[in-house]
Amino acid sequence: AQKVTQAQTEISVVEKEDVTLDCVYETRDTTYYLFWYKQPPSGELVFLIRRNSFDEQNEISGRYSWNFQKSTSSFNFTITASQVVDSAVYFCALSEAGKTSYDKVIFGPGTSLSVIP
Amino acid sequence: DGGITQSPKYLFRKEGQNVTLSCEQNLNHDAMYWYRQDPGQGLRLIYYSQIVNDFQKGDIAEGYSVSREKKESFPLTVTSAQKNPTAFYLCASDRGNTGELFFGEGSRLTVL
Repeated sequence: AQKVTQAQTEISVVEKEDVTLDCVYETRDTTYYLFWYKQPPSGELVFLIRRNSFDEQNEISGRYSWNFQKSTSSFNFTITASQVVDSAVYFCALSEAGKTSYDKVIFGPGTSLSVIP
Repeated sequence: DGGITQSPKYLFRKEGQNVTLSCEQNLNHDAMYWYRQDPGQGLRLIYYSQIVNDFQKGDIAEGYSVSREKKESFPLTVTSAQKNPTAFYLCASDRGNTGELFFGEGSRLTVL
């Protein structure tokens, strides 16, 4: 069975601090995809990144970076120099390459990040 | 602009009533999904549709129904059989089966 765990329910940081959001996943497949989504107060989830299971290179996009480690089944997300606009709920998600053309996306419970000015 | 439109944004209903949530997309995506979000539980899949006139149950389909008569539209009906319908409902579509989902702004349903 596939599962995504985000152990941090809520995190508060002061603006300009760095913060890391943890994500641990479980899957039996060797081919899968990992995602991060951001849900601001407006409610609409916004796609941030997708990684496939064969690409363990870390990725950096501006103040955002992602650390993918298959050995520990983790896909952690770091925000550098946090800003108030980063306040949101962040979801880690997993999609297995299934036997049909459809890949279901399984979401973790989310981490609520509050950046205090 | 292309995107997903959900309506209504807020909805109140009495127990025993059915209610239909609208979801329309102009992204020309084949696959569409309905998720339910409850505090602390993330998103759970209710129904999904890969193509017009076809749809499949997700993990929590009981008490819900859908239709997919047009590519652009995927309405969700919350029936009186749904035991705990108060929740935030999100509609999404998938670009090319990549798992990259595009979401609407959601509909918050409250049962009084």
